[in-house]
Amino acid sequence: DAGITQSPRHKVTETGTPVTLRCHQTENHRYMYWYRQDPGHGLRLIHYSYGVKDTDKGEVSDGYSVSRSKTEDFLLTLESATSSQTSVYFCAISEPDRGSNQPQHFGDGTRLSIL
Amino acid sequence: KQEVTQIPAALSVPEGENLVLNCSFTDSAIYNLQWFRQDPGKGLTSLLLIQSSQREQTSGRLNASLDKSSGRSTLYIAASQPGDSATYLCAVYFGNEKLTFGTGTRLTIIP
Repeated sequence: DAGITQSPRHKVTETGTPVTLRCHQTENHRYMYWYRQDPGHGLRLIHYSYGVKDTDKGEVSDGYSVSRSKTEDFLLTLESATSSQTSVYFCAISEPDRGSNQPQHFGDGTRLSIL
Repeated sequence: KQEVTQIPAALSVPEGENLVLNCSFTDSAIYNLQWFRQDPGKGLTSLLLIQSSQREQTSGRLNASLDKSSGRSTLYIAASQPGDSATYLCAVYFGNEKLTFGTGTRLTIIP
């Protein structure tokens, strides 16, 4: 299994509070991704990173920010959590050789509930 | 809009049968297609990746095919076992830096 650790695995918090989720990898892969998974919507990309300090938005980036200060860590921050951000969050990594023609490997997810 | 569709959403099959899961996509200009398995409460496990230049990939009892012209991929599972019960997800890389996922097919193998 790819060395991907997400923390925390579960979190319950209140509306309006800041939340930071962490993804840590030991594979030295260049690309890292944050997805959310919701019933009826499948997985949707929030943000991704193609290198240290290089990030870009996905299709559902509103209300989220990310940071990548070193290769192994990719942080997802909800500045002021809302109930609509209750979801399961997955981190993924990949190492492209030419483009992104390599499989993505996923962490076990973080279940976030916002009350 | 580039979309990926998986039908049916759920499928139940007796143990031992061969089965096919379907994935369709709206844009034939793909780079690759990936099949994943997801167990309840778990992350996604990559099963097979098919490059755009390939027609199929095989891993054990699994065989994935790709027909870009018709916008379809199938995942064939031979001699199904109860341990194959899971949700199977198809994802397409259209070359825009992200994978586009289908909503999955929940497979139940009946002992």
